[in-house]
This record gives sequence, C-alpha cells and structure tokens, in this order.
Amino acid sequence: NAGVMQNPRHLVRRRGQEARLRCSPMKGHSHVYWYRQLPEEGLKFMVYLQKENIIDESGMPKERFSAEFPKEGPSILRIQQVVRGDSAAYFCASSLISGNTIYFGEGSWLTVV
Amino acid sequence: DAKTTQPPSMDCAEGRAANLPCNHSTISGNEYVYWYRQIHSQGPQYIIHGLKNNETNEMASLIITEDRKSSTLILPHATLRDTAVYYCIVRVGPQGGSEKLVFGKGTKLTVNP
Repeated sequence: NAGVMQNPRHLVRRRGQEARLRCSPMKGHSHVYWYRQLPEEGLKFMVYLQKENIIDESGMPKERFSAEFPKEGPSILRIQQVVRGDSAAYFCASSLISGNTIYFGEGSWLTVV
Repeated sequence: DAKTTQPPSMDCAEGRAANLPCNHSTISGNEYVYWYRQIHSQGPQYIIHGLKNNETNEMASLIITEDRKSSTLILPHATLRDTAVYYCIVRVGPQGGSEKLVFGKGTKLTVNP
C-alpha cells in the first residue's frame, strides 16, 4: 500500500512568492495533519483537517498560511508571500479515523531565497 | 507541551539491545503511549504503541510499568540504521479527541559499530 505522498519534495521560492505543498493521505484515510520542522528544531503541529473541514488550526501562523482538504484531491498547505523564516521541512500525516495511528510522509523541503 | 520526559541522548553498540526510557508520570487512564523515530532528513516513522500491556512487533518491544508512569522501548538488536531521534508521546486513543501528536525533544540514539 502506498504511504502518505507529499510533493514536491523540494521547493525553492523567492521572497514574496507563494508556496503550495500537496499531500495525498494513505488510501482510505480521511484525517490529515500538517507539521513543520525548522532547521535544527523539533516537529511542531500546524493544523488538523478532515475532508472539507479544519478541525484544529491552533498551530497555524495567523497570517499567510492556509490549509485545505477538499472532498476530492489532495490536501494543500499554502504559504503566501514567503519569507526566509518559512524555510523548513513540512510534514504531512494521515490517519484512518480519529485517534488512530498517524502515519507520516517523507516531507516537503521549502527553501526561500 | 509534551507530557513525557526522555534522556536527550544515548549510545548503543551495534548488535546489542537498545533500551530507551520514557517517563510519563501524569498519563491519564485513556492515554496511549506512542513511539516514533525520525532518521535524519526523513519523516517520522511509527514504531509501536500501547495502553497498559506490553507490546511487541517486528520493529520493537514496548514495556509499560504497572502504574503506567513510565515505559521502555526496546530495539532487540540495534543496527547502524537505527540511529535516529526517538520520540515517546502520550495521546488519547480512538474517539477520545485531542487528535494531534505533540512531539518533545526525544532521545538521540547513536548506534556505534
């Protein structure tokens, strides 16, 4: 079975551009989580979504960041007007039902130049 | 904030058992103990989880004390590829709410030849 698929794996953006990171959960999973890992730091929760709903966005920066998980298609983490401090690894994870084991993708590395 | 305490680093000889401790003295009755690891530049990998009974799978064994205030992850025959940061996380189980995993600093395990 395919795991959690993230793309692109590596993305370079200039300051002020937009970054879109995509995540396809494991087959049958309808719960998606996004985490961010800044260089040399730990994993920080950003947002938890179910299909078409944001359940917990307590870790999302107030501005420039948004996430969606539409009825059809992958989950998207969107970062507008990127700044150098957004350079990080962004990990997506999924679970089958609430409270079930969460499985992570290999991450998307964003570099802002 | 993470509700677990782990040593920041440990060393282990290749081929020997690696025993990684974790304290979770404030764990609630409905919270599970989860272990993940993160090999450098990869996504977190699920290892094992348990509620109160000891658990074993193809990767590791999890020993939970009777009072559930601490646990030990055992890698029976450590290899160089087991070098990683290991995270112990307590989390409410299915249908219990509080879906996200909260990562602490983990234990950096180095397996030496």
